[in-house]
Amino acid sequence: AQKITQTQPGMFVQEKEAVTLDCTYDTSDQSYGLFWYKQPSSGEMIFLIYQGSYDEQNATEGRYSLNFQKARKSANLVISASQLGDSAMYFCAMREGLLSEKLVFGKGTKLTVNP
Amino acid sequence: DTAVSQTPKYLVTQMGNDKSIKCEQNLGHDTMYWYKQDSKKFLKIMFSYNNKELIINETVPNRFSPKSPDKAHLNLHINSLELGDSAVYFCASSQERELVYEQYFGPGTRLTVT
Repeated sequence: AQKITQTQPGMFVQEKEAVTLDCTYDTSDQSYGLFWYKQPSSGEMIFLIYQGSYDEQNATEGRYSLNFQKARKSANLVISASQLGDSAMYFCAMREGLLSEKLVFGKGTKLTVNP
Repeated sequence: DTAVSQTPKYLVTQMGNDKSIKCEQNLGHDTMYWYKQDSKKFLKIMFSYNNKELIINETVPNRFSPKSPDKAHLNLHINSLELGDSAVYFCASSQERELVYEQYFGPGTRLTVT
């Protein structure tokens, strides 16, 4: 069974608008971490934001925020005021448990920002 | 200064050859990783080393052998290359800090096996 599900293979958004990229996860651990990475066409993986399972507040980093709904096991990424440079693949990932060193990635969502 | 560097960036080789990809991190992290990203962009962990010791070894063919001469380096050697090995290989490193451990990725090595 997939641990991380990203149901949107592709998303389009107009410049300056907000966009939400979906991510649901599956774990029986009480302690885990959720990550979002951006991969532009140049290929590098860029860390965006992190949410711990015990964090009560949603994580925010600049224009990125993580809409964490623990009961629904969802960790959606919200990008506000989209910019052309936001066009990229976005990956949701999970670290299960405090002792695990492993990140499990979703299949990614390709975001295109239109001018 | 590049935090995690990989060489080469591109590698084109023929089936049956043996090749190596080098990775170095200057962040002082204890843990390093190799990931494989296939043609559909799916990213999957292959190996993880903590302070030169192997801690994660996913179901990877034994043609793939990681080597960590010191905690700043994790190289990947691949024997008898096959067409299916064509992919982008990412090295990463991490250090836990207050239960958060952001993984820093290298720029990737695009391996093409012909």
